[in-house]
Amino acid sequence: NAGVTQTPKFRVLKTGQSMTLLCAQDMNHEYMYWYRQDPGMGLRLIHYSVGEGTTAKGEVPDGYNVSRLKKQNFLLGLESAAPSQTSVYFCASSSIRQPTYEQYFGPGTRLTVT
Amino acid sequence: AQSVSQHNHHVILSEAASLELGCNYSYGGTVNLFWYVQYPGQHLQLLLKYFSGDPLVKGIKGFEAEFIKSKFSFNLRKPSVQWSDTAEYFCAVSNNAGNMLTFGGGTRLMVKP
Repeated sequence: NAGVTQTPKFRVLKTGQSMTLLCAQDMNHEYMYWYRQDPGMGLRLIHYSVGEGTTAKGEVPDGYNVSRLKKQNFLLGLESAAPSQTSVYFCASSSIRQPTYEQYFGPGTRLTVT
Repeated sequence: AQSVSQHNHHVILSEAASLELGCNYSYGGTVNLFWYVQYPGQHLQLLLKYFSGDPLVKGIKGFEAEFIKSKFSFNLRKPSVQWSDTAEYFCAVSNNAGNMLTFGGGTRLMVKP
């Protein structure tokens, strides 16, 4: 099992450019999440999905869109990147079959917006 | 809304020293509690978790945490740290529905050899 994988690992964008981050999990998990990690602020939830075809906003959704067309994939899009979106982005997944909904994290994508 | 506070942002210890990292949360209902660790350059890994039963939880690598409901706390402890424990530690809480994790701001631990 690869667990949770993310592509790309690093990306540099200019202000106004767009990009899509891909998250894939092979654990057949129902829930998937996108977080951003900034120094001193821990991880903050951007968007999440409780199943294929459904998404919901988290704590900091502005400037991002997501899609979950397949159960194993969760895409995070930036339509018009801004320097404030410079961050490390983590994807995670969890299963409804586990009583504590433990989340499993990917390796992260480091995004710099200049 | 739930929130999590980690009081120590940076901790520096010498090897063999004892460790205690504070975590307090605010949420009125039943909670699940977690400690995650992020080693330099790596992704988050689960250290330990509490969802019911014995409030003293043992995790990997000699870590343990105690859930004190009356204090809304879930402090992480290790009797004797090693250089390899240098990492950032995150406390997190989820409600009983389980699908939303709220993280604390993290504590960066440096262990000097």
